[in-house]
Amino acid sequence: GESVGLHLPTLSVQEGDNSIINCAYSNSASDYFIWYKQESGKGPQFIIDIRSNMDKRQGQRVTVLLNKTVKHLSLQIAATQPGDSAVYFCAENIPGGGADGLTFGKGTHLIIQP
Amino acid sequence: DTEVTQTPKHLVMGMTNKKSLKCEQHMGHRAMYWYKQKAKKPPELMFVYSYEKLSINESVPSRFSPECPNSSLLNLHLHALQPEDSALYLCASSQGTTYYEQYFGPGTRLTVT
Repeated sequence: GESVGLHLPTLSVQEGDNSIINCAYSNSASDYFIWYKQESGKGPQFIIDIRSNMDKRQGQRVTVLLNKTVKHLSLQIAATQPGDSAVYFCAENIPGGGADGLTFGKGTHLIIQP
Repeated sequence: DTEVTQTPKHLVMGMTNKKSLKCEQHMGHRAMYWYKQKAKKPPELMFVYSYEKLSINESVPSRFSPECPNSSLLNLHLHALQPEDSALYLCASSQGTTYYEQYFGPGTRLTVT
């Protein structure tokens, strides 16, 4: 069964506002939690990752928070821009013998309003 | 070159046909992946190759047969597919130390008639 899920299927925000996308996970054995962005007609694109022993990680305009107590992951996007419109997936690694595959959550469609 | 290429972009095949999907990367990545994505759903892992050896098969039906001829190429051979196999098939690759940072191709849109 699916172990990673999202709370909201669609999120609409005004351009320039901050966006917060949430995700719940159930597999405590994962080493990494990752956010991917998928624009229409394209494959998913890596945004940021966080290791399971961390609480917070920041990138350029993005911050990922991990709350292991409640098994919750969030992605914060500062000052959203039209180019941020996409479907956002959280994911966790599936440990394998050599390389890890990913289990993706359901996805949130982020819509930026002008 | 930070691109993963996939051919063809679109494929329509009958249930008795045999076809192949091709994926190529020249980033020196040693792990390659196949995912299946249905409309409005997340990608689902099918296969993982690590150093040209199959390391993960997520219980995929045998009508899907992966092949990794060398470290830059990944194929997915298709035979006797069902209409429910119609989907976007995504290929990805990653470096050996950062498996979670995967580079995806644009996918092959497969329709089985």
